[in-house]
Amino acid sequence: GAVVSQHPSWVICKSGTSVKIECRSLDFQATTMFWYRQFPKQSLMLMATSNEGSKATYEQGVEKDKFLINHASLTLSTLTVTSAHPEDSSFYICSAPGRDRANTEAFFGQGTRLTVV
Amino acid sequence: GEDVEQSLFLSVREGDSSVINCTYTDSSSTYLYWYKQEPGAGLQLLTYIFSNMDMKQDQRLTVLLNKKDKHLSLRIADTQTGDSAIYFCASRSNQGGKLIFGQGTELSVKP
Repeated sequence: GAVVSQHPSWVICKSGTSVKIECRSLDFQATTMFWYRQFPKQSLMLMATSNEGSKATYEQGVEKDKFLINHASLTLSTLTVTSAHPEDSSFYICSAPGRDRANTEAFFGQGTRLTVV
Repeated sequence: GEDVEQSLFLSVREGDSSVINCTYTDSSSTYLYWYKQEPGAGLQLLTYIFSNMDMKQDQRLTVLLNKKDKHLSLRIADTQTGDSAIYFCASRSNQGGKLIFGQGTELSVKP
């Protein structure tokens, strides 16, 4: 079945550096992808909706300049955490919406565990 | 805005039934979902229910929907230790397919 591949699965970076996370749809085209953030023991919070060929739509309270989203092609969306700080440490997950009405095919990446030291 | 609420913890004994509850606020939600997340992993869709249904059964899983009260539950029959995970309830917004998740219920199954 269709798969969303997210890379890297974990990353440790120094405070002040930038980290790029990639989300690829492997055997289907995704004009839209969603980026979520999950703190330990908490729910997934939608950060932004990535749209191929246009600007991403950010949820209220999410800093656009800090979390740069680029939907470069129909199979690739990237999230760049710029000037990372320890409070950005979290689990980031991307997903592509399903193609059926029930959205049962919504596909989630494996997630990226970001630790900023 | 839309909100989804769940209890945070549930502990059961192996072989018992587990019932995880969820409430949501968006009355226009068309689909409601249950996802399972194992430690350090992404989400796995377990089951879903369309808003005009009251119940859906899929092997050991039974989903009950009370649309009037905006209440959703997931029952797992004959719970096994492999069912230990975090279970997320989610509603699908009419806006572009984004999902609104609950906080997740951590299910602990004791032998």
